[in-house]
Amino acid sequence: AQSVTQLDSQVPVFEEAPVELRCNYSSSVSVYLFWYVQYPNQGLQLLLKYLSGSTLVKGINGFEAEFNKSQTSFHLRKPSVHISDTAEYFCAVRTGGFKTIFGAGTRLFVKA
Amino acid sequence: DAGVIQSPRHEVTEMGQEVTLRCKLISGHNSLFWYRQTMMRGLELLIYFNNNVPIDDSGMPEDRFSAKMPNASFSTLKIQPSEPRDSAVYFCASSAIPPFLNSNQPQHFGDGTRLSIL
Repeated sequence: AQSVTQLDSQVPVFEEAPVELRCNYSSSVSVYLFWYVQYPNQGLQLLLKYLSGSTLVKGINGFEAEFNKSQTSFHLRKPSVHISDTAEYFCAVRTGGFKTIFGAGTRLFVKA
Repeated sequence: DAGVIQSPRHEVTEMGQEVTLRCKLISGHNSLFWYRQTMMRGLELLIYFNNNVPIDDSGMPEDRFSAKMPNASFSTLKIQPSEPRDSAVYFCASSAIPPFLNSNQPQHFGDGTRLSIL
């Protein structure tokens, strides 16, 4: 069975600094990988997805993620964060079928 | 296009009362997912439907919970009787799943219903 581990529950960072949110997955078959963002009092929104092809995926709001099959990782990065990036970020995996498995979430705090 | 629409956005009621949460899917989507989010347990999948048929309800916590899709664009999640431990934010999400199961389509979430059982 597949699983998703987000290695950090909270990540504080200063504005304009780079950030990396870590995600590892476990699956014995090919996967589709997603990052979602949740702002306060809102639902989850898709940031980016990896389906196949290039391992570097660019998403909205300047975020990107790199798929590393050998390390079974899909870390999310942004070179310079803004206050408005403060939110909770969820990594998710699907191996086919209907079910998507979500990680526990990483709360990103951007400080002025 | 309108996104997934949930109602009500907030619900406060006393324990023992029946609670009904509603969800309208994005037009053209044929899969529907109900999630519950709490600080302690994070995001939990309760049930999902494909083409109005429940595919997996193993996440439904107890018989007090039930979900239906009376038509292709609408779903309800009912709790009867409600208990304080049911307090959470409930999300529904929809997705376009093609006939073959190997789908790479993401889920589109509503803004949630914040439920408080007193």
